[in-house]
Amino acid sequence: GAVVSQHPSRVICKSGTSVKIECRSLDFQATTMFWYRQFPKQSLMLMATSNEGSKATYEQGVEKDKFLINHASLTLSTLTVTSAHPEDSSFYICSARERQGLGYTFGSGTRLTVV
Amino acid sequence: GNSVTQMEGPVTLSEEAFLTINCTYTATGYPSLFWYVQYPGEGLQLLLKATKADDKGSNKGFEATYRKETTSFHLEKGSVQVSDSAVYFCALSAADYKLSFGAGTTVTVRA
Repeated sequence: GAVVSQHPSRVICKSGTSVKIECRSLDFQATTMFWYRQFPKQSLMLMATSNEGSKATYEQGVEKDKFLINHASLTLSTLTVTSAHPEDSSFYICSARERQGLGYTFGSGTRLTVV
Repeated sequence: GNSVTQMEGPVTLSEEAFLTINCTYTATGYPSLFWYVQYPGEGLQLLLKATKADDKGSNKGFEATYRKETTSFHLEKGSVQVSDSAVYFCALSAADYKLSFGAGTTVTVRA
């Protein structure tokens, strides 16, 4: 079946630094990729939607300059958390939608801790 | 807008008990409905889905039927196992292809 590889699975960074999270679709072309944030014991909050070759669409309240999303190819999207602060600590999950069909495949998530 | 309301947990059951998690939705048009499962520290896995009214999704002993008249998609399993302990999310996808999630229900099955 469809697989989405997300890396790293865990990252600890110092306040003020930037962190890049990668999401790759391994055996299919992802028309659209979605980035979510999940707080402990809560649901997933959609941050942004990215389509290959175009700018990401951010949900209301999400700072586009802080959460930079690049979707350079049909198999790769990246989320960069810039100038990270402790309040950015969270679980980030990507999801890829296949070019055809209704499948949404999720990455395994990245636990970001900013110290 | 689109929204999903899901039964709040946590739910604690004994092995072989019957599980029901209620899910209702609000959406324009004809959404597709999903149940996802999340194990600790992991991403989401699709459990089952239904794309039109009266469709029944099923997988690993879990079932859910798309009920347009009651705007519901309740998840059921007749006999749960310890390995079913996880967080379950109901979700819908409408014309914009974005997934809207319910709050999640934590299920713990005790041996």
